[in-house]
Amino acid sequence: GAGVSQSPSNKVTEKGKDVELRCDPISGHTALYWYRQSLGQGLEFLIYFQGNSAPDKSGLPSDRFSAERTGGSVSTLTIQRTQQEDSAVYLCASSFRDRGNTIYFGEGSWLTVV
Amino acid sequence: GNSVTQMEGPVTLSEEAFLTINCTYTATGYPSLFWYVQYPGEGLQLLLKATKADDKGSNKGFEATYRKETTSFHLEKGSVQVSDSAVYFCAGAAGNKLTFGGGTRVLVKP
Repeated sequence: GAGVSQSPSNKVTEKGKDVELRCDPISGHTALYWYRQSLGQGLEFLIYFQGNSAPDKSGLPSDRFSAERTGGSVSTLTIQRTQQEDSAVYLCASSFRDRGNTIYFGEGSWLTVV
Repeated sequence: GNSVTQMEGPVTLSEEAFLTINCTYTATGYPSLFWYVQYPGEGLQLLLKATKADDKGSNKGFEATYRKETTSFHLEKGSVQVSDSAVYFCAGAAGNKLTFGGGTRVLVKP
């Protein structure tokens, strides 16, 4: 498709389980972002990938969170040993590059930890 | 570090009223500035942007001017509609990431 694609759109998981969230950025976009939006809250930056550079992981809330981007395209956000406070919408976004270029968001993956 | 501050909501107003949502930023240098909108049940969409001082972004009747002297990027619309009910996010891009404000929920009543 033409936009940023995320899967799954909804995920309910038991506390303690691991989850993987996938993002397909817009073709040709070199920058990829993961954000988290908790219920009624703003957007929290998690991680940023730009081309082949080392990712900016400064927003990851704990070592249970990790992300990778294979081949400069698809990205996977992994949350290990999920906790209830991990429940949120996880948003992926991409752009040609940062600073001034429009950043396009996916629809998000709604994660509920029960 | 970089930060974006916007007025807290919710903002409730009647159709055809004037809307202003304040946004100020702090950053090293001059970031690009954006307003994103999230309609009920939908994902984030870019509403407008400005990449340098004195630029004015506009879209769907909304406007915002990049004011370097006041480090502000206030969003305005002269006559709102019920369909403008949404959450509006101000954001700044400097360096590696886009930093968002906390969002302002706007409810327009008929």
